[in-house]
Amino acid sequence: DSGVTQTPKHLITATGQRVTLRCSPRSGDLSVYWYQQSLDQGLQFLIQYYNGEERAKGNILERFSAQQFPDLHSELNLSSLELGDSALYFCASSAGTIDNSPLHFGNGTRLTVT
Amino acid sequence: AQTVTQSQPEMSVQEAETVTLSCTYDTSESDYYLFWYKQPPSRQMILVIRQEAYKQQNATENRFSVNFQKAAKSFSLKISDSQLGDAAMYFCAYRPRYTGTASKLTFGTGTRLQVTL
Repeated sequence: DSGVTQTPKHLITATGQRVTLRCSPRSGDLSVYWYQQSLDQGLQFLIQYYNGEERAKGNILERFSAQQFPDLHSELNLSSLELGDSALYFCASSAGTIDNSPLHFGNGTRLTVT
Repeated sequence: AQTVTQSQPEMSVQEAETVTLSCTYDTSESDYYLFWYKQPPSRQMILVIRQEAYKQQNATENRFSVNFQKAAKSFSLKISDSQLGDAAMYFCAYRPRYTGTASKLTFGTGTRLQVTL
């Protein structure tokens, strides 16, 4: 168990809808990262937060947004969903931004857009 | 920009044998970290091993070891005495050490490892 909790595990929704994915980092970790893994592909970095502030952006679509709350949990909001958004969305956490602690991943949320 | 390349989409190894997975990366940084993650059918991402670029000694974790060649920007994973439970997708990943604002991992496209009897 990595200590990173993601909910829900599975999500099925229709095109055009909006969903929210939730992540609780490991206790004490200040950084949260979101990754997208499409079928049989590598993980694509979406966005990173550190202690409530956005620190890095990857290839995140404008239809997607995220935030990290004072209790350090994070939410990834996906709107105007398209079929191509179907993927496994991972959250990961680490202790900080400038350290050698590895990223610990949650079990992912599998999003299916129909 | 940093890139990570895994040129072997699939590999196969017999149980109890040794297999090496390849990874190369491109970076202009001198200080960074390299990782191998395992993703079994459960889809969980599991850290297998990590290497700090400033350390010349290759990292080892039980049956897993790496061959880190900094000048060649190569970071291969050797799995000894392969077990059925090693069957998974393996991802190589890179992370700069000092970034000032961000320390995201950049992943390769993965190598699917099959373990046969």
